[in-house]
Amino acid sequence: SQQGEEDPQALSIQEGENATMNCSYKTSINNLQWYRQNSGRGLVHLILIRSNEREKHSGRLRVTLDTSKKSSSLLITASRAADTASYFCATVWGRSGGGADGLTFGKGTHLIIQP
Amino acid sequence: DGGITQSPKYLFRKEGQNVTLSCEQNLNHDAMYWYRQDPGQGLRLIYYSQIVNDFQKGDIAEGYSVSREKKESFPLTVTSAQKNPTAFYLCASRGAFAPGGANVLTFGAGSRLTVL
Repeated sequence: SQQGEEDPQALSIQEGENATMNCSYKTSINNLQWYRQNSGRGLVHLILIRSNEREKHSGRLRVTLDTSKKSSSLLITASRAADTASYFCATVWGRSGGGADGLTFGKGTHLIIQP
Repeated sequence: DGGITQSPKYLFRKEGQNVTLSCEQNLNHDAMYWYRQDPGQGLRLIYYSQIVNDFQKGDIAEGYSVSREKKESFPLTVTSAQKNPTAFYLCASRGAFAPGGANVLTFGAGSRLTVL
């Protein structure tokens, strides 16, 4: 079952503008992660935010997490043409006894940066 | 360089044939995963393995089989029982699991299977 859902499905902006993508999820989580996928390639991990964190930065990326609303946002500042890709949020929910069955991914936001 | 290698990158298969996708990692990761991605869709978990000689079904295991005889290798066989096998297949691995901590996955470049 898909846990995270990204919004919007597609986003097209001009180079230099900021891009914001949102992710909503359904159940409690341990952490939430954002991944990037270039067309026809594998996913690359961008950033992880734990359930007890509200905001995290990494370079031009800023992630927020609101556990009361079960939502997260990814902000890419000063976008570049090379940021064109699909962006996925992924969640891991609480699981007793350790172990994990991997991450559950949303359908992604396809971001197009126009030069 | 450490990473995950998937092969082949592109594969064409006739209906009724089984095909095996290779996934090899040199990251010394314990857990490995297979995901399927359809156009415009997210990733769906097929199978995963947390240790050698053990694996578990994911959300869409029907028509697929796996083995985990070596830590480095987790091949996926798409059998003729899989009714709609044309898709992009992604293999991933994860290092030691820290309770409440990071389940960050490292992905291969993917294998695109087309059934003719």
